Amino acid sequence: DVKVTQSSRYLVKRTGEKVFLECVQDMDHENMFWYRQDPGLGLRLIYFSYDVKMKEKGDIPEGYSVSREKKERFSLILESASTNQTSMYLCASMGSGRAYEQYFGPGTRLTVT
Amino acid sequence: GQQLNQSPQSMFIQEGEDVSMNCTSSSIFNTWLWYKQDPGEGPVLLIALYKAGELTSNGRLTAQFGITRKDSFLNISASIPSDVGIYFCAGRRTSGSRLTFGEGTQLTVNP
Repeated sequence: DVKVTQSSRYLVKRTGEKVFLECVQDMDHENMFWYRQDPGLGLRLIYFSYDVKMKEKGDIPEGYSVSREKKERFSLILESASTNQTSMYLCASMGSGRAYEQYFGPGTRLTVT
Repeated sequence: GQQLNQSPQSMFIQEGEDVSMNCTSSSIFNTWLWYKQDPGEGPVLLIALYKAGELTSNGRLTAQFGITRKDSFLNISASIPSDVGIYFCAGRRTSGSRLTFGEGTQLTVNP
């Protein structure tokens, strides 16, 4: 069974803090993604990675960075959290080849105060 | 990135009714996916479509890949209360691993 886990379901941080969101998948997938989801704006891609140590910017990378040191783990970093980064953060993974099916984790609801 | 046009935005139906929703785009897609998201959870993949004209079922759910490759449809038959949630379409264009998402259809089922 497909499994994507995220380190926290709920997180509250202060403005200016450095925030780490962790995502782990157990499907040996090459591709991993970070999205944020906001009411009225849908799912927006922040960054994705197609291999270990490889990353590409999505549509809204400003204020975020990522790290992929191991195939199964993809981390999203907020260098200096701001209130406009309060959101639902979703991680997804996808194998290579013909099946372009992304599998999502349960999400992390981040609140920056 | 470009959003898919998903409609309707919301639906309020009675238990037992059938439901239809669709996604359209001005661009051609090679893959269509349909997801369901429960409140406070991540989206769960329901159906994946890979060929124009393809019709695929998953229990009471049926989805179709439009012939023009610019649209897709999801039908839910005999709705039940646990069908409540947000349904998203997603499409992949000719290359790459990125998906384009619709804005979702919020489904409410009254018992």
